[in-house]
Amino acid sequence: DGGITQSPKYLFRKEGQNVTLSCEQNLNHDAMYWYRQDPGQGLRLIYYSQIVNDFQKGDIAEGYSVSREKKESFPLTVTSAQKNPTAFYLCASSSRQTGHEKLFFGSGTQLSVL
Amino acid sequence: SQQGEEDPQALSIQEGENATMNCSYKTSINNLQWYRQNSGRGLVHLILIRSNEREKHSGRLRVTLDTSKKSSSLLITASRAADTASYFCATDKAGGFKTIFGAGTRLFVKA
Repeated sequence: DGGITQSPKYLFRKEGQNVTLSCEQNLNHDAMYWYRQDPGQGLRLIYYSQIVNDFQKGDIAEGYSVSREKKESFPLTVTSAQKNPTAFYLCASSSRQTGHEKLFFGSGTQLSVL
Repeated sequence: SQQGEEDPQALSIQEGENATMNCSYKTSINNLQWYRQNSGRGLVHLILIRSNEREKHSGRLRVTLDTSKKSSSLLITASRAADTASYFCATDKAGGFKTIFGAGTRLFVKA
């Protein structure tokens, strides 16, 4: 059963705390993405990775960090420097090969601040 | 920054009617995609149209692309209550790697 798994579904962060959101895919995709979605808004790109051990900042990378040590995994850390972290976080992957550019999304993580 | 902007922001129609959503973008693109999102869920890919295509169909969906106007439209024919969701356009810039999304259109289909 191929797909993308995000965990946890709900996450709460205390003041000054770093939290890590998990994203795992078994689709053998090279590219992975993290998006942030605020209520009633579209998706904004945080970070993306084209290949293992490589990643680039998106449009709103400040206060976030990522790693891509394995093809299957692309965890996102929301650091204490991110002052407004409450949002719905979506992970996606794609093969990026011509004819297969579409993104496959996980079911999301809702992050809230205590 | 958001490459695509959808119009209208919200749309309410009766079951059986057609729903049309529009998307405008700013830069040259490789392709334009439409996605659907049910509340609190991930996005699901609906259809992709390439920059050298003008129209594409998939079931009850019809997508058009006008690269001279940098705009696209998504038509859902004979809408159903189950079509109630948010719809987003997304673009892959020419020569780029990122997929950028618009703000979305919230569609409500009344039974």
